[in-house]
Amino acid sequence: EAQVTQNPRYLITVTGKKLTVTCSQNMNHEYMSWYRQDPGLGLRQIYYSMNVEVTDKGDVPEGYKVSRKEKRNFPLILESPSPNQTSLYFCASSYTPSIYEQYFGPGTRLTVT
Amino acid sequence: GQQLNQSPQSMFIQEGEDVSMNCTSSSIFNTWLWYKQDPGEGPVLLIALYKAGELTSNGRLTAQFGITRKDSFLNISASIPSDVGIYFCAGQGPGANNLFFGTGTRLTVIP
Repeated sequence: EAQVTQNPRYLITVTGKKLTVTCSQNMNHEYMSWYRQDPGLGLRQIYYSMNVEVTDKGDVPEGYKVSRKEKRNFPLILESPSPNQTSLYFCASSYTPSIYEQYFGPGTRLTVT
Repeated sequence: GQQLNQSPQSMFIQEGEDVSMNCTSSSIFNTWLWYKQDPGEGPVLLIALYKAGELTSNGRLTAQFGITRKDSFLNISASIPSDVGIYFCAGQGPGANNLFFGTGTRLTVIP
């Protein structure tokens, strides 16, 4: 089944404790992206990747890192999480950078206390 | 980032009624998209629009790409309970590699 998977689905952590949210797609997509969703603000893009080893900042990159060492994986790293990073995070992928046909993962709900 | 204003923020309608929602931008877009998000899931693409003035249907859904390239609307005809969810517009600007999303319209259908 073609899909985007994220782990974990739920995470509660404390300020400053490094964490990684994994994202994997099995569709051989070139383009991958991370979004955060907050009430009243919709989805905002954090980082995106056009292909392996090619990443770029989205709308709200501060406090986040990403890497794209393999085509299928695009982990999101929070080196020192803060409470304002409490949010619902979505990973998405598409076959090419013509990103209109994006497939979204199920989401990761992160709480930073 | 670019601002997309989506309205209304929420709607409560009776089953069988038609629904209309729209999205406006301060910038022009080359592509307009409409997504639906069910509770606990990621957004799913409903309709993609690629040309100003384009009118596209997907079953009971119809969307249009405004001729100014700064707006789009989505209509749902004869609503049913499974239409419940949050609907998002999204746009991609000229030469851009990223999408900007609206703030969403939460739709509730009363049986």
